[in-house]
Amino acid sequence: GEDVEQSLFLSVREGDSSVINCTYTDSSSTYLYWYKQEPGAGLQLLTYIFSNMDMKQDQRLTVLLNKKDKHLSLRIADTQTGDSAIYFCAETPGGGATNKLIFGTGTLLAVQP
Amino acid sequence: GAGVSQTPSNKVTEKGKYVELRCDPISGHTALYWYRQSLGQGPEFLIYFQGTGAADDSGLPNDRFFAVRPEGSVSTLKIQRTERGDSAVYLCASSPYPGGGPLHFGNGTRLTVT
Repeated sequence: GEDVEQSLFLSVREGDSSVINCTYTDSSSTYLYWYKQEPGAGLQLLTYIFSNMDMKQDQRLTVLLNKKDKHLSLRIADTQTGDSAIYFCAETPGGGATNKLIFGTGTLLAVQP
Repeated sequence: GAGVSQTPSNKVTEKGKYVELRCDPISGHTALYWYRQSLGQGPEFLIYFQGTGAADDSGLPNDRFFAVRPEGSVSTLKIQRTERGDSAVYLCASSPYPGGGPLHFGNGTRLTVT
């Protein structure tokens, strides 16, 4: 079935790197996404990776994809207090024909000053 | 340009009442999605429109939930005989690509059923 799993909570100090992990189940997922949600707000697209890539870097963000293990990670370099939020990974099962996203339960990132 | 707009931002209603939630997608986006997010959970898919038609409504929990998109732009999610368990944030998203590419989300409507 479709299931995306994430750890619930991560605490880091300001300036350190954060690594948020995600495992997914559908190997036919075309795109894999990372979204950020701040309190009371909608979902903000952070970055995404196409399934034929194994790494994507975008400024402070690095996404790593291990298709064999169905494991996705998001690394945030030089984490700032403004990065405190809930981070969701999402897959596109069934080859993404409808682009229906299946989300994980989210990882709460707390950045300590 | 303007993002996805959802109205109202908050809605409080009594159990058993009917509610309508509105979504204005980004102009030109043909694909529109409704999701529901309960407290402490990730968003759960409800329904997907490509143009005016519902291409996938497999996430609607029961027949009290219905959504329309008559002109292929604005969409309305309708909930009949609301129950306390319907309380959640209802998120709308749109995309210019029906088969891939990122979804752009609105800020959601927080529905509270008392």
